[in-house]
Amino acid sequence: EIVMTQSPATLSVSPGERATLSCRASQSVSSNLGWYQQKPGQAPRLLIYGASTRATGIPARFSGSGSGTEFTLTISSLQSEDFAVYYCQQYNNWPELTFGGGTKVEIK
Amino acid sequence: QLQLQESGPGLVKPSETLSLTCTVSGGSISSRSYYWGWIRQPPGKGLEWIGSIYYSGSTYYKPSLKSRVTISVDTSKNQFSLKLSSVTAADTAVYYCARGYYYDSRGYSPGEWGQGTLVTVSS
Repeated sequence: EIVMTQSPATLSVSPGERATLSCRASQSVSSNLGWYQQKPGQAPRLLIYGASTRATGIPARFSGSGSGTEFTLTISSLQSEDFAVYYCQQYNNWPELTFGGGTKVEIK
Repeated sequence: QLQLQESGPGLVKPSETLSLTCTVSGGSISSRSYYWGWIRQPPGKGLEWIGSIYYSGSTYYKPSLKSRVTISVDTSKNQFSLKLSSVTAADTAVYYCARGYYYDSRGYSPGEWGQGTLVTVSS
């Protein structure tokens, strides 16, 4: 099983600041990686697929980068609605999909 | 617009079988362009992929759950289902159904999810 490790577990950021979230795979997943945002009581929302392609309707302040084993999700200027938990997910090993443990972005 | 809705008992006794159905509206479950999956999330914890099914009926189950999981599809009702046998308290979670794009023999991160349903395992 490919293990996805996210860091940090919690990120404290002030509104308007940049947030950088990391995701590491235990083996190469090429660019077959997605990022999700989850708010309390809601289902996850797909933000990014293919490591860097924004899903439909996702604001441009969200960007993804990386390939192989190292990936980054950047939120360029945090808005109040962006405080949430973010998960990465690999699908390179289809049909085995695995999620990272999540990064909580909280208000500083 | 595609909608997915999970349904089933919210309370299941230990050792019994958890059964959930996902009803799909606004799209066909028989589409060759998508696969259908189940994901769960224990209270306060992260996401766990349970398994998936393609319109043809081909399935995948997470190895650690494989002996207890069955996912099936009912094209006549535009539904797919999850059965998890011999449940314990560790199976208490919010269960989500989801749809992902399928292309060139690969599934992609699911982009549409149901709202989720909490299933508690308790006597």
